[in-house]
Amino acid sequence: AQKVTQAQTEISVVEKEDVTLDCVYETRDTTYYLFWYKQPPSGELVFLIRRNSFDEQNEISGRYSWNFQKSTSSFNFTITASQVVDSAVYFCAPRHTGRRALTFGSGTRLQVQP
Amino acid sequence: NAGVTQTPKFQVLKTGQSMTLQCAQDMNHEYMSWYRQDPGMGLRLIHYSVGAGITDQGEVPNGYNVSRSTTEDFPLRLLSAAPSQTSVYFCASSYGGSRHTGELFFGEGSRLTVL
Repeated sequence: AQKVTQAQTEISVVEKEDVTLDCVYETRDTTYYLFWYKQPPSGELVFLIRRNSFDEQNEISGRYSWNFQKSTSSFNFTITASQVVDSAVYFCAPRHTGRRALTFGSGTRLQVQP
Repeated sequence: NAGVTQTPKFQVLKTGQSMTLQCAQDMNHEYMSWYRQDPGMGLRLIHYSVGAGITDQGEVPNGYNVSRSTTEDFPLRLLSAAPSQTSVYFCASSYGGSRHTGELFFGEGSRLTVL
């Protein structure tokens, strides 16, 4: 069985602080994909990133960076110098090779205060 | 391209009524799916389709029917609405086969309230 856990229910930071969102994905599968989606207060779902389980190289894109460690099943997402517009619910969502469906975590609500 | 279009955006039903949530995509995606989102929870998969004429159940299929007669459309039918089906429903699509990167393209959601 697979299990995706986002232990942080809600995080509140002040603008310009760095913030890391945690995701732990427990599975016996050796090959899978991991996605992060953002849901702003307007309600739509916005794709942020996809990573493969065999690629543990960290990645940086602007203010966003991702740290994937297969040994600990963690796939964490960091926002550097947070902004009020980053306020949203962030979902971690793994997908198995050969399946199309994503399994969503319960989400982490990020509040960035001005 | 309009992307993934859902209608209606809001709907109020009485217990026992039936209705259909419409979903259409114009990206020629093979894969389409329906999720529901309840407060404080992530999205849960209701039904999905890997192509026209092919559908399968997801995590929470009870009380819902789907069909896929065309590539573009994937309607979700509530047979006899119950208050437990009060939720926000999202339709999503993606490429299949070798082009399947897994990224789902979502509609804007349909908020359903069952009284």
